[in-house]
Amino acid sequence: EVQLVQSGAEVKKPGESLKISCKGSGYSFTSYWIGWVRQMPGKGLEWMGIIYPGDSDTRYSPSFQGQVTISADKSISTAYLQWSSLKASDTAMYYCARLVGSGSYYMDVWGKGTTVTVSS
Amino acid sequence: DIVMTQTPLSSPVTLGQPASISCRSSQSLVHSDGNTYLSWLQQRPGQPPRLLIYKISNRFSGVPDRFSGSGAGTDFTLKISRVEAEDVGVYYCMQATQFPWTFGQGTKVEIK
Repeated sequence: EVQLVQSGAEVKKPGESLKISCKGSGYSFTSYWIGWVRQMPGKGLEWMGIIYPGDSDTRYSPSFQGQVTISADKSISTAYLQWSSLKASDTAMYYCARLVGSGSYYMDVWGKGTTVTVSS
Repeated sequence: DIVMTQTPLSSPVTLGQPASISCRSSQSLVHSDGNTYLSWLQQRPGQPPRLLIYKISNRFSGVPDRFSGSGAGTDFTLKISRVEAEDVGVYYCMQATQFPWTFGQGTKVEIK
């Protein structure tokens, strides 16, 4: 079964750093892009960026470029989303999803999400 | 960025009746490769999003055939032929033709 398993909920203070993870299983992790999507409380979905674990090619939305870093460790089939200095406005649910590319470009398998709460 | 505009934002529907959601893009979603990368996702309460439709009208594996997608260029529609209780949730269109990919603001489908 194809799965993306995300790390658990986080509660952090403003200014702290954070790295959340998304582990793929049941498929060739290096052959599919992984995307990250933000959902702020009570709001819609926002596309943050994607990474190709095979060569770490990464694309960011301009809205998130410089605010987060997307990375991957193909040796352990895991993608990451990290912040160097969290803000209260980073409080949200973050989803990772597998991207089917090569003429299709859709997100077919989603993780259950990681809740990040940033509060002093 | 391509702006995706959904209407209506809320759709109260009677069980067994049809529902329709419109999604308009600020630019054509036809990619240089000739494909149109418009997909529809469903998010049930408390759940992650789930893919329903990709490339305008292709139903994803396991999606009931009461869901259908249509459209071209800048105008797209998701239709539910007969709404069931399990269809309650928020529906999003998403374009993957041009970076950054963008979502519509979501349409809430609820039962009257």
